[in-house]
Amino acid sequence: KAGVTQTPRYLIKTRGQQVTLSCSPISGHRSVSWYQQTPGQGLQFLFEYFSETQRNKGNFPGRFSGRQFSNSRSEMNVSTLELGDSALYLCASSPGVGGASTDTQYFGPGTRLTVL
Amino acid sequence: AQSVTQPDIHITVSEGASLELRCNYSYGATPYLFWYVQSPGQGLQLLLKYFSGDTLVQGIKGFEAEFKRSQSSFNLRKPSVHWSDAAEYFCAVSLLRTDKLIFGTGTRLQVFP
Repeated sequence: KAGVTQTPRYLIKTRGQQVTLSCSPISGHRSVSWYQQTPGQGLQFLFEYFSETQRNKGNFPGRFSGRQFSNSRSEMNVSTLELGDSALYLCASSPGVGGASTDTQYFGPGTRLTVL
Repeated sequence: AQSVTQPDIHITVSEGASLELRCNYSYGATPYLFWYVQSPGQGLQLLLKYFSGDTLVQGIKGFEAEFKRSQSSFNLRKPSVHWSDAAEYFCAVSLLRTDKLIFGTGTRLQVFP
C-alpha cells in the first residue's frame, strides 16, 4: 500500500507570494490533517479535513487555508507569504472514523517551504 | 488547555545503553497518548499509543512506554539502544475522537558507538 505523498518536496518563494501544497492520503483514508513544523514553535496543528469538510482547525491566521477533494486528496494554501512561514509542512492521513484514539495517523515526508 | 512537555531537548547515549525519554502532559480528561519518531528528512512514524487498559504499552522497534496517571507522565523506554535509533522523538496527546494531535517540543537522541 502506497504511503502518504506530498508534493512538492521543496519549495522556495518570496514574501508576498502565495503557495499551494498537495497531499495524497493512503488509499481508503478519508481524513487528512496538516501540521506546521518549525524550530521555534515545534509541531503545530493547522487543520483537518474529513469527507471534503473541515472538521478541526488550529490557531493560524486566515492566510492559511485548505480544502479536500472527493478523492480525499487535500491541498493547503498560504497567501501573502511571510518569512515566518518558512517551515516543514506535514500532512497525515487516517481512516478518520474514530479519531486519533482509534485510527493511526500516517505522516508524509513533508514539504519544506522556504520564504525569502 | 491541553499541553505536552518534554523536559529534555537533547539526550546522548552510548550504543547498547538503556534509554528513557520523559513526557508529561496536562489534560483534563482521560488522555490519549502517543510517541512518534522523526528521522532526518522524514515524516513522523508512530512508535506506540495508549488509550486505556494496561499502563505498559509495547511499540515497534523494541520501544515501550508506561502511563502513570499520578505523575501525568508517559515516558518512553528502550533497554538497549541501537545506532539507528538516533532521531527526534515526539510525545503527543489527542483530543477525544479527533485526529488533532498536540505535540511536545521533541527530544533529539544522539547515539555514540
